[in-house]
Amino acid sequence: DQQVKQNSPSLSVQEGRISILNCDYTNSMFDYFLWYKKYPAEGPTFLISISSIKDKNEDGRFTVFLNKSAKHLSLHIVPSQPGDSAVYFCAASSGNTGKLIFGQGTTLQVKP
Amino acid sequence: GAVVSQHPSWVICKSGTSVKIECRSLDFQATTMFWYRQFPKQSLMLMATSNEGSKATYEQGVEKDKFLINHASLTLSTLTVTSAHPEDSSFYICSARDFQDSGNTIYFGEGSWLTVV
Repeated sequence: DQQVKQNSPSLSVQEGRISILNCDYTNSMFDYFLWYKKYPAEGPTFLISISSIKDKNEDGRFTVFLNKSAKHLSLHIVPSQPGDSAVYFCAASSGNTGKLIFGQGTTLQVKP
Repeated sequence: GAVVSQHPSWVICKSGTSVKIECRSLDFQATTMFWYRQFPKQSLMLMATSNEGSKATYEQGVEKDKFLINHASLTLSTLTVTSAHPEDSSFYICSARDFQDSGNTIYFGEGSWLTVV
């Protein structure tokens, strides 16, 4: 049972445009969501997070939106840069446990 | 910032042998560390939660006798893959949470590539 789903395995965007990565979840107990960026053969790097009490969190070029009623979150990157090309994972946690459930990942390619 | 270090980054071992992977929090104390495994083109799957001073909690389907986890100090957790087989070849990643950090920030290690031949 995949509790966190990223239905788009890949996304290709032109440099300077917006990248939108989507993530859906099924467990209503999740109260904290994170996005990670991962390069091949490296560990994930934390990007941005959002608590379930918020619906938006912004950090520079990265904004995460949370729609609790739809159990959906998205990561917006604007403007996209070639260095953003990587695999992006969304992850969810519940009850301050620190235990993360990851989505399958979306490979983002930003073309110059 | 907080750093989690894994060692070794790459390891090749013969089938039937055991291999140990270390996970260290370098500048913070972590009462809880997590071990994940990632197969090619798949998501990171949580294997177990490592608690300092107590037994690890394993996720469903993960063999605790095969993947031995020891969290002997607040800065070190080890994962030992016992009697390794080629199907254990994977990318293993640990993460740690700074228990003094009121936020939910979790820091990941660089990962360890295990190849069993």
